[in-house]
Amino acid sequence: AQSVTQLGSHVSVSEGALVLLRCNYSSSVPPYLFWYVQYPNQGLQLLLKYTTGATLVKGINGFEAEFKKSETSFHLTKPSAHMSDAAEYFCAVSDRIKAAGNKLTFGGGTRVLVKP
Amino acid sequence: KAGVTQTPRYLIKTRGQQVTLSCSPISGHRSVSWYQQTPGQGLQFLFEYFSETQRNKGNFPGRFSGRQFSNSRSEMNVSTLELGDSALYLCASSPSPDRVHEQFFGPGTRLTVL
Repeated sequence: AQSVTQLGSHVSVSEGALVLLRCNYSSSVPPYLFWYVQYPNQGLQLLLKYTTGATLVKGINGFEAEFKKSETSFHLTKPSAHMSDAAEYFCAVSDRIKAAGNKLTFGGGTRVLVKP
Repeated sequence: KAGVTQTPRYLIKTRGQQVTLSCSPISGHRSVSWYQQTPGQGLQFLFEYFSETQRNKGNFPGRFSGRQFSNSRSEMNVSTLELGDSALYLCASSPSPDRVHEQFFGPGTRLTVL
């Protein structure tokens, strides 16, 4: 079964500093890859996704992620943190097989705290 | 275009009761998936419906069930509620089961079981 590992359940960054959130998946066949953000008492908002093509993916709010097949990783970065980036971030994967449907397997989440 | 809507947004129930949550997908979306989010277990897939048929099911007991109507709206039901069922229940919709990359989530229903 697919598994997703997010290293670090909590990350604290200073405003203006680099944000780096790590995600590794277990599948030998590269899945579809996603990053979602969740603000308190809200649902999940898609930040970016990798399906095919260019391995460096740009998303909303200045975030980007790079798919590295050899490392089975899909780490999320943002060059300069803003106070509004304080939220919980989830990495998710979906198998590229019909039987999987739209099922997503999520990592445990990383809560980001931004210090002024 | 309206997003995925879930009702109610908040719900309080007592142990042993049953509850029904509703999800209205984005117009034109025919696939609806449900997830449970808890602090201990994280985000877990419950089931997916398409064309009124359950296509996929996660590892949850039979107390958790769902259905989909001809207009693609979906409901999930939890019977004989337990304290551990307290969670945020998220619904997501997609045009079809092979369009996971076009899936959008609703705001969730926060269920508290006392």
